[in-house]
Amino acid sequence: SYALTQPSAVSVAPGQTASITCGGNNVGSKSVHWYQQKPGQAPVLVINFNIGRPSGIPERFSGSNSGITATLTISRVEAGDEADYYCQVWDNTSDHPVFGGGTKLTVL
Amino acid sequence: QVQLQESGPGLVKPSQTLSLTCAVSGGSITSGGSFWSWVRQPTGKGLEWIGRVYTSGNTKYNPSLKGRLFMSVDTSKNHFSLQLHSVTAADTAVYFCARVSLNYQGNTFDIWGQGIQVTVSS
Repeated sequence: SYALTQPSAVSVAPGQTASITCGGNNVGSKSVHWYQQKPGQAPVLVINFNIGRPSGIPERFSGSNSGITATLTISRVEAGDEADYYCQVWDNTSDHPVFGGGTKLTVL
Repeated sequence: QVQLQESGPGLVKPSQTLSLTCAVSGGSITSGGSFWSWVRQPTGKGLEWIGRVYTSGNTKYNPSLKGRLFMSVDTSKNHFSLQLHSVTAADTAVYFCARVSLNYQGNTFDIWGQGIQVTVSS
């Protein structure tokens, strides 16, 4: 079955840029979506279709996807960006979603 | 603005059935272009897809839960439901309901409920 791999943790200082990767076999051929989940809250869609930003998501959030790696980039990181981030694709073979294992972003 | 709200018991005894309902407000559950799903998250762990249901009643379940799972839609009440049978401690988790928007490029979980903690314990 299809699998997505994320680093378990990423740390960044305030004001710097955070990059969170999501690896998968030929993931560049799929649409990758990213979710932000703060403690005790539901996930929130922050990037859809690799590069799209849903309404209300700051421009500091961006995405890219090519080859075997998709990347969520957060520019000018703020303390409020500290959260778990999950990537997700839809596996057309099994017709069900696949989530990455999640990355905990710590703002130093 | 569509909103989702889970409801159900927070404590279920082992071997019994976990039953949850997700109420849809701010829009009709029969509006096109989407289906309805459940996702769970054990404490400190990642997201696990449980299954999805169309308003037609068509379902698809996570193979790891197949045989124990039943999902349904009640369009008259604008809600959808989950039943998980023969639960064990491994089923203890926060359960989220979510709307999945359909797109030929890939489906997204664009609206989520706040989640409900369900503990399996005697």
